[in-house]
Amino acid sequence: KQEVTQIPAALSVPEGENLVLNCSFTDSAIYNLQWFRQDPGKGLTSLLLIQSSQREQTSGRLNASLDKSSGRSTLYIAASQPGDSATYLCAATGANNLFFGTGTRLTVIP
Amino acid sequence: EAQVTQNPRYLITVTGKKLTVTCSQNMNHEYMSWYRQDPGLGLRQIYYSMNVEVTDKGDVPEGYKVSRKEKRNFPLILESPSPNQTSLYFCASRRTSGTTDTQYFGPGTRLTVL
Repeated sequence: KQEVTQIPAALSVPEGENLVLNCSFTDSAIYNLQWFRQDPGKGLTSLLLIQSSQREQTSGRLNASLDKSSGRSTLYIAASQPGDSATYLCAATGANNLFFGTGTRLTVIP
Repeated sequence: EAQVTQNPRYLITVTGKKLTVTCSQNMNHEYMSWYRQDPGLGLRQIYYSMNVEVTDKGDVPEGYKVSRKEKRNFPLILESPSPNQTSLYFCASRRTSGTTDTQYFGPGTRLTVL
């Protein structure tokens, strides 16, 4: 069964810093790897999706990479802002299921 | 506006009292699913549905039922709720097209079973 781990569980950074969130998964047979954002009391918002055949995806200040062979993905956030404060979840997609990590709670300090 | 709606958003109930959480999507997606989110455990899939009248168990189906009589609706049923089903529940629909695979999540239902 797929297991997804995210490190660190929580992270605080001053505004303007670049940061990296890590995600690892145990089964490389995935369809894709997705990154989500979750604000307190809210649902999940899809940020980036990397197909299994791709190495990275970019959207604005966000860049996600995927290394299937090592079972790792990273989410890079450039020039962080207080509005980036949220919990970030990665999910490895199988045929009929998404396997989620437990998330990294990010706080960007003004 | 493309959206997934859930009702109710908050529910406090007692052990054994049957309840239903509704989920509806307006995007004509075939695939829908239910997740529960618990501290330290992340989101875990309860049930999913590939299309009308097609449902299957996820990772934690015990104590739950679902039905898919129409494409837009996918209710989650707790026949006899217990305190260990206290959780935050999310419904999601999924659109897959070529290289696109997008999940749309509802706002969540916070359930407390006393």
